[in-house]
Amino acid sequence: QKEVEQDPGPLSVPEGAIVSLNCTYSNSAFQYFMWYRQYSRKGPELLMYTYSSGNKEDGRFTAQVDKSSKYISLFIRDSQPSDSATYLCAMSAGSSASKIIFGSGTRLSIRP
Amino acid sequence: ETGVTQTPRHLVMGMTNKKSLKCEQHLGHNAMYWYKQSAKKPLELMFVYSLEERVENNSVPSRFSPECPNSSHLFLHLHTLQPEDSALYLCASSPKQEGGYGYTFGSGTRLTVV
Repeated sequence: QKEVEQDPGPLSVPEGAIVSLNCTYSNSAFQYFMWYRQYSRKGPELLMYTYSSGNKEDGRFTAQVDKSSKYISLFIRDSQPSDSATYLCAMSAGSSASKIIFGSGTRLSIRP
Repeated sequence: ETGVTQTPRHLVMGMTNKKSLKCEQHLGHNAMYWYKQSAKKPLELMFVYSLEERVENNSVPSRFSPECPNSSHLFLHLHTLQPEDSALYLCASSPKQEGGYGYTFGSGTRLTVV
């Protein structure tokens, strides 16, 4: 079993829809949870960062962490074509770079 | 550009060639990283430098050789690569060596080994 599982998609939704992206994990020591967005031919950029459990909101984006279920989500409200990208979840048990584990990424396409 | 610049953007090399990838950051960060991104696979950490000292070498084959001459520049020297080394090589930097929440990535070098 992989430490971090992420559905690769592709996921295609109409403009304006609410998008839900998810990752599951097996390591209960993870405390830092991140979502990166990667546009085609670009490097990943940090979108959201959450420490431990709970929700975090930033504009149209909400990150949710459920440590009891080992499940994290990213919600995008009022999705726009410019949100079309690959979304990577990442999580870490500590402050060392060697401890961060990335998901494989979910490719998202927003249809105008 | 994000403040982390990688050159070249694309590279095709034969298995007997020697080439180098370059990364430059203008953010005043003290840590720099090399990652490998293959299709449909998670990012793989290769090397970590903090204040120009290598602090992580993630079991990377010796045909990949990093160099960090100062805190703004990072190189990845390549020699006698294999076709399975074809991938997107990403450089990242952060204010200090940490677990991913302060990373700025470059746009990557798309490497093809023929």
